[in-house]
Amino acid sequence: DAGVIQSPRHEVTEMGQEVTLRCKPISGHDYLFWYRQTMMRGLELLIYFNNNVPIDDSGMPEDRFSAKMPNASFSTLKIQPSEPRDSAVYFCASSRNPGTGFWGYTFGSGTRLTVV
Amino acid sequence: DQQVKQNSPSLSVQEGRISILNCDYTNSMFDYFLWYKKYPAEGPTFLISISSIKDKNEDGRFTVFLNKSAKHLSLHIVPSQPGDSAVYFCAASISYTGTASKLTFGTGTRLQVTL
Repeated sequence: DAGVIQSPRHEVTEMGQEVTLRCKPISGHDYLFWYRQTMMRGLELLIYFNNNVPIDDSGMPEDRFSAKMPNASFSTLKIQPSEPRDSAVYFCASSRNPGTGFWGYTFGSGTRLTVV
Repeated sequence: DQQVKQNSPSLSVQEGRISILNCDYTNSMFDYFLWYKKYPAEGPTFLISISSIKDKNEDGRFTVFLNKSAKHLSLHIVPSQPGDSAVYFCAASISYTGTASKLTFGTGTRLQVTL
């Protein structure tokens, strides 16, 4: 099992440019989450999907952020236009439907975004 | 509004001693709690969890204690080892049988275990 795969690992872009972050969840996982890590706020949930359908996007900071999950094996998080305050580490995580048992997320290694 | 708080940004402990990491929460609806460990340049990995029907869960050197009346949980690591040096995140959720639920994370505590 390759785990959750995120790309790119690092992204440096100029303010105003469009940025697209990519995620491949673990095969068979029904849920996909996008988180952002900052020093001040820790890990914040941006949006999550169940069976490719967005369930809760209340954490998306503003209209500049959008996320899609066109199929069970791929999701994107897009920022357009990017701003310096978007600089953070963005994590994707996936999870299976737990039934009545334990569940927990498996995280990818993250994308470190720097907007200059 | 930070519903899960880790008020100590960092902690330094000698090897072999006990590490105690603390976490407070404000939402009384939370009923499932987890600790994640994160090394630099890696994603967080699950460490241990506890349901609100319990007040203690133990897994090897790691024990999590839950005090529901105080809305407080703690992670004990005994004995601490240099490999435990990492950032530890506390997380909480409102769980529903049969569905996954979003996790609310704290800001993390950086643990350094010294020789």
